[in-house]
Amino acid sequence: QAVLTQPPSVSAAPGQKVTISCSGSRTNIAVSYVSWYQQFAGSAPKLLVYDTDKRPSGIPGRVSGSKSGTTATLAITGLQTEDEADYYCATWDTGLRAVVFGGGTKVTVL
Amino acid sequence: EFQLLESGGGLVQPGGSRRLSCVASGFSFRSYAMGWVRQAPGKGLEWVAGISGGGDATFYADSLKGRFTISRDNSKSTLHLQINNLRVEDTAVYYCAKDFSIVVQAAIVDHWGQGTLVTVSS
Repeated sequence: QAVLTQPPSVSAAPGQKVTISCSGSRTNIAVSYVSWYQQFAGSAPKLLVYDTDKRPSGIPGRVSGSKSGTTATLAITGLQTEDEADYYCATWDTGLRAVVFGGGTKVTVL
Repeated sequence: EFQLLESGGGLVQPGGSRRLSCVASGFSFRSYAMGWVRQAPGKGLEWVAGISGGGDATFYADSLKGRFTISRDNSKSTLHLQINNLRVEDTAVYYCAKDFSIVVQAAIVDHWGQGTLVTVSS
């Protein structure tokens, strides 16, 4: 059972927007930065967002991260077929003194 | 160019031990925290352990404490993960992970290895 809770799947049509929630607690998301990762089947994950809302170079502006209280959110606008992948959130848990991941969300482009 | 090359995976019997290694190149190894993240077949990512750039601070997933030991040799730009008393449920791809920061608490993996598969089976 993952410490951070994500919906198992989300879907939307091409060009639309999807949001993925990542629910935590006062010992992790509420007090720590959040990172997000994209993973295609058979490949290593890739960093999409760090420090809750920053994008590494090369990540398009239609990808964004935010946080409110104990919930972080990843948004992808202008959805494209190549966005079909699994997405994971992660953060530092001050109580566990460990990095914790969400269970992952599969994005489907209809 | 950043490169993380894992080795040490393979088939091991329950109760056995395995030492995974990750040789890094293309960056100042000692300046960054490193870690291991695993992924069981068809499952999500699970953080295993992390170690600070200087190697003086180590952290482990609560459920894995006691059987896993992370270490690093900065003179050889190499990260290790020693796994003892292996269980069937340890079967997974183990990824070597480079942190964005020198401290593990940043929890930002900006580069990943391709992974090494450990299969625990009799």
